[in-house]
Amino acid sequence: AQSVTQLDSQVPVFEEAPVELRCNYSSSVSVYLFWYVQYPNQGLQLLLKYLSGSTLVKGINGFEAEFNKSQTSFHLRKPSVHISDTAEYFCAVSSYGNKLVFGAGTILRVKS
Amino acid sequence: AAGVIQSPRHLIKEKRETATLKCYPIPRHDTVYWYQQGPGQDPQFLISFYEKMQSDKGSIPDRFSAQQFSDYHSELNMSSLELGDSALYFCASSFPGLGSNEQFFGPGTRLTVL
Repeated sequence: AQSVTQLDSQVPVFEEAPVELRCNYSSSVSVYLFWYVQYPNQGLQLLLKYLSGSTLVKGINGFEAEFNKSQTSFHLRKPSVHISDTAEYFCAVSSYGNKLVFGAGTILRVKS
Repeated sequence: AAGVIQSPRHLIKEKRETATLKCYPIPRHDTVYWYQQGPGQDPQFLISFYEKMQSDKGSIPDRFSAQQFSDYHSELNMSSLELGDSALYFCASSFPGLGSNEQFFGPGTRLTVL
């Protein structure tokens, strides 16, 4: 069985400050890792994904994440956030061809 | 580029009624997943289909059923609706032959049960 833990339910941050959203996972098999963003009353948009290869993954909107196998983590980072980044962020894990297992989500609140 | 289409986008039903949600995957995608996201919750996997056969089943109530048709679209049928069924229902599609498990999500159907 796979599980995902997002360590922070809410992260408040000032505009133009850096941010890190934490995600840890557990799995007995090799996994694919994803970060999705959900704006209020909207669907899920893929930010970035780790399938294999380089452990530093770059995504859309200036986000990046680093896969750390030894720590079973896949933290999401952005060096400078904007007001428009205010949304809920979900970390998810799957094994090949299988369902996504989501974390509980982290609400990023960017303040001016 | 074509995206996943879900209909209807919004649906209001009374308790004990039935509802049918439809999902049209991206062309050439042969796998469809259904997820349920309750208020303030993370999406929970319900069921998936690959090549018109059920491939996996999650926490889907017995009152719900689903199928994938020959054109790969899928329908989620929900009967004896309960207040707790009020949620956002997402459909996602993928094409495992691409070598990844990236799932492309539709905009969701918001079901409200009164």
